[in-house]
Amino acid sequence: AQKVTQAQTEISVVEKEDVTLDCVYETRDTTYYLFWYKQPPSGELVFLIRRNSFDEQNEISGRYSWNFQKSTSSFNFTITASQVVDSAVYFCALKGSGSRLTFGEGTQLTVNP
Amino acid sequence: DTGVSQDPRHKITKRGQNVTFRCDPISEHNRLYWYRQTLGQGPEFLTYFQNEAQLEKSRLLSDRFSAERPKGSFSTLEIQRTEQGDSAMYLCASSLRVSTESEAFFGQGTRLTVV
Repeated sequence: AQKVTQAQTEISVVEKEDVTLDCVYETRDTTYYLFWYKQPPSGELVFLIRRNSFDEQNEISGRYSWNFQKSTSSFNFTITASQVVDSAVYFCALKGSGSRLTFGEGTQLTVNP
Repeated sequence: DTGVSQDPRHKITKRGQNVTFRCDPISEHNRLYWYRQTLGQGPEFLTYFQNEAQLEKSRLLSDRFSAERPKGSFSTLEIQRTEQGDSAMYLCASSLRVSTESEAFFGQGTRLTVV
């Protein structure tokens, strides 16, 4: 069975603060993929990043960065200098040997001006 | 617009009625997925197609649910004899599977309310 845990249900920060969203996963598959999606109030899930299990390099894209640590089964997401437009629900997801994505329950991020 | 398109965006129906949703994936994508999302939860997998073949169904997909992708392009999801517990957002996604995994792109969803 696969499982994704996002322990932070809600996070509230003030604009320009850095914020890290945690994601811990469980899988028995040796090859798997991890994803982060953003869901703004409009409802559409927006793809942010994909990482496969063999690639533990951290990645930075503008204000976004991701820290993948296989040893702790974690794939955390950091937003630097947060902005009001970053307010959304963020989902971490896992795809193992099967076809389905297993999502965490999401973290509601609110960035206040 | 070349993204995943879903229709309708909102549907209100009376308990016991049948409803049908449509999904148009990104044109070159061979995989199509249906997920269901209830308030405050992450999306849950329902079913997926590789071209026109339905290859996997979740236990969440009761006998009242049926999905088709007749020509390997658009897909429909039908719910018969709707119940209040069916109220949710139904999300469609598509991806391209060649030799490696690719990310799934989601539509804006169909929000179903059963009254």
